[in-house]
Amino acid sequence: EAGVAQSPRYKIIEKRQSVAFWCNPISGHATLYWYQQILGQGPKLLIQFQNNGVVDDSQLPKDRFSAERLKGVDSTLKIQPAKLEDSAVYLCASSFPGGGNTYEQYFGPGTRLTVT
Amino acid sequence: AQKITQTQPGMFVQEKEAVTLDCTYDTSDQSYGLFWYKQPSSGEMIFLIYQGSYDEQNATEGRYSLNFQKARKSANLVISASQLGDSAMYFCAMREGIRGSARQLTFGSGTQLTVLP
Repeated sequence: EAGVAQSPRYKIIEKRQSVAFWCNPISGHATLYWYQQILGQGPKLLIQFQNNGVVDDSQLPKDRFSAERLKGVDSTLKIQPAKLEDSAVYLCASSFPGGGNTYEQYFGPGTRLTVT
Repeated sequence: AQKITQTQPGMFVQEKEAVTLDCTYDTSDQSYGLFWYKQPSSGEMIFLIYQGSYDEQNATEGRYSLNFQKARKSANLVISASQLGDSAMYFCAMREGIRGSARQLTFGSGTQLTVLP
């Protein structure tokens, strides 16, 4: 089966510009996650969707970050305006309810954002 | 307080030897899950192994095993017969809450493993 797809893989923008990332989860996976991974750290959850509803966005900087998952399939994460500290890898993951006890999360290749 | 602590920023191991990567966690939940992921330099996160808080046996997956000590709140990853391709960043992660729930993972800061030929 196809894995989690993300695009673009790399993006360089100047501060105060806007940027958008796209994620297409594994087919049939109802839960979608966006994580931010700053260099040298572990991933940190930004937002979690269950189908097209938000489950947890408590760590999303809502003054500049937004995310949507229309139709409960693919998702877009936007940053506007970007700051230098937003430089990170943005990872998308998905999981399948009913997939045993693990609810293993499958990760995409990530988008590496550099803000200059 | 840190929920997941990985105290080894970097580890070296000789090819074909075993290595243990440490992970301690902090939670007040009775039901939780512990995960290990591998992240090569290419960036993708690869699931390795899972241990549920109610699982009585230590989890094993091929060359990977999880040394789960619940009273000590530790979940160390053991890699046997290390291979050069095992060189990567390794993350310990925890999911708290209801068994089987699709909740977020909380990650540690990772351990960079280098396998020497």
